[in-house]
Amino acid sequence: KQEVTQIPAALSVPEGENLVLNCSFTDSAIYNLQWFRQDPGKGLTSLLLIQSSQREQTSGRLNASLDKSSGRSTLYIAASQPGDSATYLCAVLYGNNRLAFGKGNQVVVIP
Amino acid sequence: EPEVTQTPSHQVTQMGQEVILRCVPISNHLYFYWYRQILGQKVEFLVSFYNNEISEKSEIFDDQFSVERPDGSNFTLKIRSTKLEDSAMYFCATINMGRQYEQYFGPGTRLTVT
Repeated sequence: KQEVTQIPAALSVPEGENLVLNCSFTDSAIYNLQWFRQDPGKGLTSLLLIQSSQREQTSGRLNASLDKSSGRSTLYIAASQPGDSATYLCAVLYGNNRLAFGKGNQVVVIP
Repeated sequence: EPEVTQTPSHQVTQMGQEVILRCVPISNHLYFYWYRQILGQKVEFLVSFYNNEISEKSEIFDDQFSVERPDGSNFTLKIRSTKLEDSAMYFCATINMGRQYEQYFGPGTRLTVT
């Protein structure tokens, strides 16, 4: 069974600092890994998708890396802003095309 | 950009009642999913649907749950006899097989069972 863990569970940083969010998964047989953003009481917004054959993916201030063999991914958010405050979810696509999610990294960026 | 839509946004029901949650997937996507998120917990896979039949279901998806695509556009999740523990956010998702199997999520339906 695929288990996804995200650390830290919560963090607060002052505006302008870089954010580093970690995700680990137990079974390296994945098709891809997606990072999502979730605002309180809202749906999931896809941020980045990394194919299993890729090492990293970038979009604006966001960069995600993937080390499939060690079962790890890291999401970097450069120069954080108060609008980045949200919960960030890591999910891996495995098996018969189902996603397994971590519990999330809850981020607060302090102005 | 095409979106997955869900209705209603919030449903309140009494224990033992039947509810139907509706989703309109992105039209050219072929795989459809239901996930749920109990407050404060992980998003959990319930069921996947492909070619008009269930592709895979989790251990959560027991006999009280069913899915169907009644008219070629809507995709529904029915809970036959709701329990208090069914209170959760239910998300519909579709997969873009032409775009590296990226999953697109709807805004969710918050189900409250009283």
